[in-house]
Amino acid sequence: NAGVTQTPKFQVLKTGQSMTLQCAQDMNHNSMYWYRQDPGMGLRLIYYSASEGTTDKGEVPNGYNVSRLNKREFSLRLESAAPSQTSVYFCASSDRQYGYTFGSGTRLTVV
Amino acid sequence: GENVEQHPSTLSVQEGDSAVIKCTYSDSASNYFPWYKQELGKGPQLIIDIRSNVGEKKDQRIAVTLNKTAKHFSLHITETQPEDSAVYFCAARSKDGNKLVFGAGTILRVKS
Repeated sequence: NAGVTQTPKFQVLKTGQSMTLQCAQDMNHNSMYWYRQDPGMGLRLIYYSASEGTTDKGEVPNGYNVSRLNKREFSLRLESAAPSQTSVYFCASSDRQYGYTFGSGTRLTVV
Repeated sequence: GENVEQHPSTLSVQEGDSAVIKCTYSDSASNYFPWYKQELGKGPQLIIDIRSNVGEKKDQRIAVTLNKTAKHFSLHITETQPEDSAVYFCAARSKDGNKLVFGAGTILRVKS
């Protein structure tokens, strides 16, 4: 049972480049989330999907877009990367009865 | 919306001592309170949780207590070990919400 799988684990981008962070869960959870975590800071919600076919903004959505491709997969896209988006990105999933299951993170550096 | 405050931001204890981390929440309708442990370079991992119909829950050396009247909940770690060193996050979920609201985190250092 893999849980939540994030790819890639590490990425370096140049300012202005685009990329998509992938997330997949195998727990049949309805809800999925994208967080960012900056050094010394907590978890900030970027976007979430309460169920397949729906997405909603979190507290820091600017500069990002998401796609809930199906029940298993929830991707995060940076259209034009900026140095301020250097961070560790975590995907999580939940069935609403319990807490989140987090992936191991994607460490993104924008130069 | 829900707001969760967590204290202290850092906590240093001697190996074998107890550690207590406290959180307060604002939404009296919140009904689920998980705690996460994040080790260096890893994602947060659920270690214990409590629902609003329970006052205390224990799992070996860790326990969580909930005071609904005061709207606060605490994580207690007894007989701390160096491997307990990590960042700990509390969270709360409202009854009508689909999101967890996280505290800012506590860096726990266990000195051997």
